[in-house]
Amino acid sequence: KAGVTQTPRYLIKTRGQQVTLSCSPISGHRSVSWYQQTPGQGLQFLFEYFSETQRNKGNFPGRFSGRQFSNSRSEMNVSTLELGDSALYLCASSLVAGATGELFFGEGSRLTVL
Amino acid sequence: TQLLEQSPQFLSIQEGENLTVYCNSSSVFSSLQWYRQEPGEGPVLLVTVVTGGEVKKLKRLTFQFGDARKDSSLHITAAQPGDTGLYLCAGAGAGGTSYGKLTFGQGTILTVHP
Repeated sequence: KAGVTQTPRYLIKTRGQQVTLSCSPISGHRSVSWYQQTPGQGLQFLFEYFSETQRNKGNFPGRFSGRQFSNSRSEMNVSTLELGDSALYLCASSLVAGATGELFFGEGSRLTVL
Repeated sequence: TQLLEQSPQFLSIQEGENLTVYCNSSSVFSSLQWYRQEPGEGPVLLVTVVTGGEVKKLKRLTFQFGDARKDSSLHITAAQPGDTGLYLCAGAGAGGTSYGKLTFGQGTILTVHP
């Protein structure tokens, strides 16, 4: 079956701009979570969505937001980009909510902020 | 705030050697997962351990969950070049503010030389 698809794979933005990243989960998976991966901080939890509802949010500023659609596809948005937002953004889908089931990760969207 | 300390950060060994990666925390996790990530890809789940004291084997890989569910280890026997990659441990919280969130260790970059 098709895996988790993230788009775009690579993007370059400048400070102050905003960006929207998209994630299509595995068919049938209703839970989507987002993580930021950087060399210094590793993987850090951004948020989790299940059935269009945000179930939890990590310790990130309000510039980071997300949503989930009725077809389980999810988007995350980062506004007023800062240099420190440069990272690999990973989306993961799961059959069940709560990070108790197996997470299937996409290949990520690599964001570079100049 | 739940933290997972993973060690060592880097491991460079020769083919055929054994190695152990450790993951420690002062917090209790409902489960602990081990992932492997290769360059340009998202993490792939290797195993989930749930019960304190649990030991799981996956071919040459042995995973153990501490009795108190605060720590875990990954042991690889007779490492091969194909084992090269980034190994990540991740703990799932028991609920509350930890719901839906995986706390990741910093990762161990393993290089196995032929």
